[in-house]
Formats: sequence, C-alpha cells, structure tokens
Amino acid sequence: GQQLNQSPQSMFIQEGEDVSMNCTSSSIFNTWLWYKQDPGEGPVLLIALYKAGELTSNGRLTAQFGITRKDSFLNISASIPSDVGIYFCAGLTGGGNKLTFGTGTQLKVEL
Amino acid sequence: DAEITQSPRHKITETGRQVTLACHQTWNHNNMFWYRQDLGHGLRLIHYSYGVHDTNKGEVSDGYSVSRSNTEDLPLTLESAASSQTSVYFCASRDRAGELFFGEGSRLTVL
Repeated sequence: GQQLNQSPQSMFIQEGEDVSMNCTSSSIFNTWLWYKQDPGEGPVLLIALYKAGELTSNGRLTAQFGITRKDSFLNISASIPSDVGIYFCAGLTGGGNKLTFGTGTQLKVEL
Repeated sequence: DAEITQSPRHKITETGRQVTLACHQTWNHNNMFWYRQDLGHGLRLIHYSYGVHDTNKGEVSDGYSVSRSNTEDLPLTLESAASSQTSVYFCASRDRAGELFFGEGSRLTVL
C-alpha cells in the first residue's frame, strides 16, 4: 500500500537540541496528522493540520502544512528525554476517508 | 473520560485456531479501523467500518474479518490463525474532524 516518505528515518540527538522531521508525498492531502508512539503503546495524536500553509503549535511541538499540500514538517524545540519514541505523519485524502501513514522517524535523545 | 480500549493486550495462540481481538470505543464515533504494525511495513489497514453493519476491506484483509453490530465495538477475527499474522494490532476510531485515535494495541503471537 501507499506510504508517505518520512525523513530522517532515525535521529540521535543531544538533550536540549531542536529536532526537525518531514513527510513528503506525490499526492495532495487535505489533512495532516502527526503522532508519537512510545514502546508498547498505541500512537498518540500530537497535532492536526487542516489548511495549506497552516502552522500549529502544541507546547514545544510545531507542525506545518506545506503550501503544496504534499508535505508537512514537525519541529520539536529543546528536546528532553521523554521525547524519545517514533513519530509518524499521516495524510488524509479522498473525501476524508483514506488515511496514509508515513514510515516513521525514530528519535533517540542522549542525556 | 471517553476512550478506546482493546483486549486482550497480549495473546499467544496456535496455528489454525480462531482468535478474536476486541475493540471498544466510548466516543460514539462512526468510523472505526483495524491496523497491524510490523517492522519494515509501518501501519497497514486491515478492515474498517463507517457505521453499524458496514464493513470494508483494507489493504491486508486476507485471513481477517470484522463485524459491526453496534457503534461502540469492532471485533477483529482471525478465522484460522497463521504465523504470518503474528503482529501488533491497533484499533482506531475517527472523529468528524478526521482525527484518528488509537487503542493501546494487542500483541498477537501465533506459534
């Protein structure tokens, strides 16, 4: 099935650093969602984006809906150990009926 | 608080046995989904439902079935479990804004 290209695949950063990851697609999406998954748990919704160009924040997290509607970006500022996990993007299209997931970015934070 | 719950969280079974994974949500969402998550494949859609008595096949539906007799529940059945169905299974429901909320997952091992 179709998947979104998410990069980087993994990141190993120092505590306190800012983190950026992105998701790209050849298809246009109407909604972008960003999730975080901790080991042994289900994905938890972090941010939802509904309009091209939209910039939305949730605490230290900021996500943007790309102007072309084919990409989205997630930034985490001043990373902390609990930011460790896998981050997934997801795009919604087809009248809101089909959700496509990214391949995931694994974040590891070094103390 | 409204929520989505899965049971069992862990299950070990033998090849050929029938297995049913339960999913229950209290948000009154019409849209419910079952995904499986495997290394290298990300989240793949198995079956989904847009309302009572509605069921649809996803991208990896072979060997699985679902039923929707009420709004709250979407049980996933493996009629004859195979080793290839060893995976982590996530149920999800979606609100009208398109945001998808996941359960905590059911880890199934087929020996």
